[in-house]
Amino acid sequence: QQQVKQSPQSLIVQKGGISIINCAYENTAFDYFPWYQQFPGKGPALLIAIRPDVSEKKEGRFTISFNKSAKQFSLHIMDSQPGDSATYFCAADFSGNTPLVFGKGTRLSVIA
Amino acid sequence: DTGVSQDPRHKITKRGQNVTFRCDPISEHNRLYWYRQTLGQGPEFLTYFQNEAQLEKSRLLSDRFSAERPKGSFSTLEIQRTEQGDSAMYLCASSFDGTYGYTFGSGTRLTVV
Repeated sequence: QQQVKQSPQSLIVQKGGISIINCAYENTAFDYFPWYQQFPGKGPALLIAIRPDVSEKKEGRFTISFNKSAKQFSLHIMDSQPGDSATYFCAADFSGNTPLVFGKGTRLSVIA
Repeated sequence: DTGVSQDPRHKITKRGQNVTFRCDPISEHNRLYWYRQTLGQGPEFLTYFQNEAQLEKSRLLSDRFSAERPKGSFSTLEIQRTEQGDSAMYLCASSFDGTYGYTFGSGTRLTVV
């Protein structure tokens, strides 16, 4: 049972464009939704996270949009740069009391 | 203390051999997690510790896998009688009480030939 479904599997965006990655979750008990960025040969690194008491969180060029009723959340990368080319994972857990459950990842390529 | 350290970075072993990986978490973190990641997939949870207590094990963790965290510091993950299907990246992460996200190490890439 896949608790967090992520799409698309891969994404190609022009430099300066907006990258959008979507995730849907099933367990309504989840209350913490982070996004991780992973470069080849490295472990995932926390990028940004949101809790369901807000519908949007922005940190620099990265924004999470959260829709509690639809059980969906998305990552928006504004002004995408070649250095953003990486694999992005959404994840979810319940108040830190359960291990994070990860999506299958989205491979982002930003081309000049 | 600059982050989570994993050793070795790469391990090639013959099928049937035993292997052991080590993880040194961030010293202030009381929780330590082991995940497995295969090509094109997200990390899959294996097991986690709070201090020295192993609190949860995934069904993915067969009886050939064992993990320890003596004295609540570093942790080891041992795989006995390795199989080709064990080939993967083994990731360790740590956190403080599960809050504020996890800090991952760079992983140990295991290849079973």
